[in-house]
Amino acid sequence: EPEVTQTPSHQVTQMGQEVILRCVPISNHLYFYWYRQILGQKVEFLVSFYNNEISEKSEIFDDQFSVERPDGSNFTLKIRSTKLEDSAMYFCASSYAGATNEKLFFGSGTQLSVL
Amino acid sequence: ILNVEQSPQSLHVQEGDSTNFTCSFPSSNFYALHWYRWETAKSPEALFVMTLNGDEKKKGRISATLNTKEGYSYLYIKGSQPEDSATYLCSRGAQKLVFGQGTRLTINP
Repeated sequence: EPEVTQTPSHQVTQMGQEVILRCVPISNHLYFYWYRQILGQKVEFLVSFYNNEISEKSEIFDDQFSVERPDGSNFTLKIRSTKLEDSAMYFCASSYAGATNEKLFFGSGTQLSVL
Repeated sequence: ILNVEQSPQSLHVQEGDSTNFTCSFPSSNFYALHWYRWETAKSPEALFVMTLNGDEKKKGRISATLNTKEGYSYLYIKGSQPEDSATYLCSRGAQKLVFGQGTRLTINP
């Protein structure tokens, strides 16, 4: 079965550094998402992306965050200047139709640790 | 802010027993409810997407019901097996899914 792949599986960075988390969604999917889970907390929505633009974003997704689909296959999340509180498991997901009608396919996550 | 709550937070069940747990959510402006199974070190895997009040869905030994008027969904597992051990997440919304905290299920052999 097709799957969403994320790299790296673990990323350790120093506070203030930029990180890029990478995802390869399922090839015929049109909707792309980033979610994260801070240890001990609920999974929380960051951003959804459709037709090469952000369709919705949460309050968490401030100017430090950006997403890009640079080449039609990858979908990246960039954090410009990481903070300690950005430490979390970051999940990429994709779907063919929107989440109103269809399940999301999740990657296995990137564990980001900001020191 | 939409608040999705799941209960119980954790559950230990004997192999072969049946079990169920609950997801409650605000009933206004409802679009869809998703259930996911999340095994440690793996991707969350979709079980069901439910949209209509009274919906019932089944996948093998797992089934789910939906009541959008009162804002709850039940997930049932019949004849639990060790491979059912996982965290079960529910979420509601449209483009933006709001997740509950999950029910961590452990099946004791």
